[in-house]
Amino acid sequence: GAGVSQSPSNKVTEKGKDVELRCDPISGHTALYWYRQSLGQGLEFLIYFQGNSAPDKSGLPSDRFSAERTGGSVSTLTIQRTQQEDSAVYLCASSLNEGTGTARYEQYFGPGTRLTVT
Amino acid sequence: AQKITQTQPGMFVQEKEAVTLDCTYDTSDPSYGLFWYKQPSSGEMIFLIYQGSYDQQNATEGRYSLNFQKARKSANLVISASQLGDSAMYFCAMREVTQGGSEKLVFGKGTKLTVNP
Repeated sequence: GAGVSQSPSNKVTEKGKDVELRCDPISGHTALYWYRQSLGQGLEFLIYFQGNSAPDKSGLPSDRFSAERTGGSVSTLTIQRTQQEDSAVYLCASSLNEGTGTARYEQYFGPGTRLTVT
Repeated sequence: AQKITQTQPGMFVQEKEAVTLDCTYDTSDPSYGLFWYKQPSSGEMIFLIYQGSYDQQNATEGRYSLNFQKARKSANLVISASQLGDSAMYFCAMREVTQGGSEKLVFGKGTKLTVNP
């Protein structure tokens, strides 16, 4: 079946502009995650959605970052007034979060959106 | 304090040999999970193996095995019979569950593995 998809794959924007990054999770996966990967670094957690529950926004680095998930499926990460330090690869992942065994916890990642702020 | 520590920024191995990538973790939660992901130069994150804290046996998936030593809080990845295609970044991660019930993965900084012919 289809994996996690993200769009756009690359985004170059000017400092101060707003950007929207989109994530389509695997159908049937109730949990959705956003991570950020800066050059040569590991992944940094940003936000977590589980079903219709309120999201865990504890990882968002500033109030310029927001995310929503419509209908328990597609998610959009919005960065307002972008800064150069926002340049990174933004990765989305989804997981089943139900059932037993490894499959419950495995997070499937999308290909990421490479954001460059000039 | 770092919750996931990968002390090897880079590792080299000869094709067909085995290699161990180190990972230590820090948590006071009795229930946790440990993952290894592979990230080739193309950028995608590929799930390799998972170990639950209550699992009695070390996890294995094909050529990948996880050497889980709970008392030492280590979860080293062993790749047997290395192949050229194994050259990539490898990340160790721990599943955290917050008091509010949300989940996230906490990642180490990664180890770059190079397989030499």
